[in-house]
Amino acid sequence: QVQLVQSGSEVKKPGASVKVACKASGYLFSDSYMSWVRQAPGQGPEWLAWINNYTGGTKLSQKFQGRLALTRDTSISTAYLELRRLQSDDTAVYYCARDVGHNGIFGALDVWGQGTTVSVSS
Amino acid sequence: DIQMTQSPSTLSASVGDRVTITCRASQNVNKWLAWYQQIPGKAPKLLIYQASSLESGVPSRFSGSGSETEFSLTISSLQTDDFAIYYCQQHNAYPWTFGQGTKVE
Repeated sequence: QVQLVQSGSEVKKPGASVKVACKASGYLFSDSYMSWVRQAPGQGPEWLAWINNYTGGTKLSQKFQGRLALTRDTSISTAYLELRRLQSDDTAVYYCARDVGHNGIFGALDVWGQGTTVSVSS
Repeated sequence: DIQMTQSPSTLSASVGDRVTITCRASQNVNKWLAWYQQIPGKAPKLLIYQASSLESGVPSRFSGSGSETEFSLTISSLQTDDFAIYYCQQHNAYPWTFGQGTKVE
């Protein structure tokens, strides 16, 4: 079945970087985009960025320009999020989510990973 | 950024009730709106895309309507599994944004 499995929880100090992996299975990885969404404790979700798994092209929320990078390795069907210069308000659950483009329009996220908790604390 | 405002924030209902959640966008998002259900501690689940299209595998008691700035999600007969938090999300303009959520309890 279609599945996204993310890497495990991370604890980081302010100023550090974190890299989260998202391994896809059950579908053709390159035929989709992957979005990354985070959710701080008790808050609604926040969209960060997407990557086109075929071309490697990315679109980032302007809020994260300069400290967020998305990459993918199509040979192992895995997408990566790297967030640099972490601060305490980056503490959240980070999700990867597939976007297959319903009727050719991207934006509705139909399969989600289980989430990766990133805690930032001194 | 486009702000998505959901109402109510919390909704008390019983099994079998008809439930409607509203989502208002601060700008026109055409029909580029999705609805998600989230059980606390779990990832969101896509219910509705493009305002009114039911995602495959989602029960037909869920329906969506609206366009431009006013949208709604209706559950025709609330079931036990439906007690959760519901979010709307626009993908008409970047950054894509979510509502703050409606808890159905």
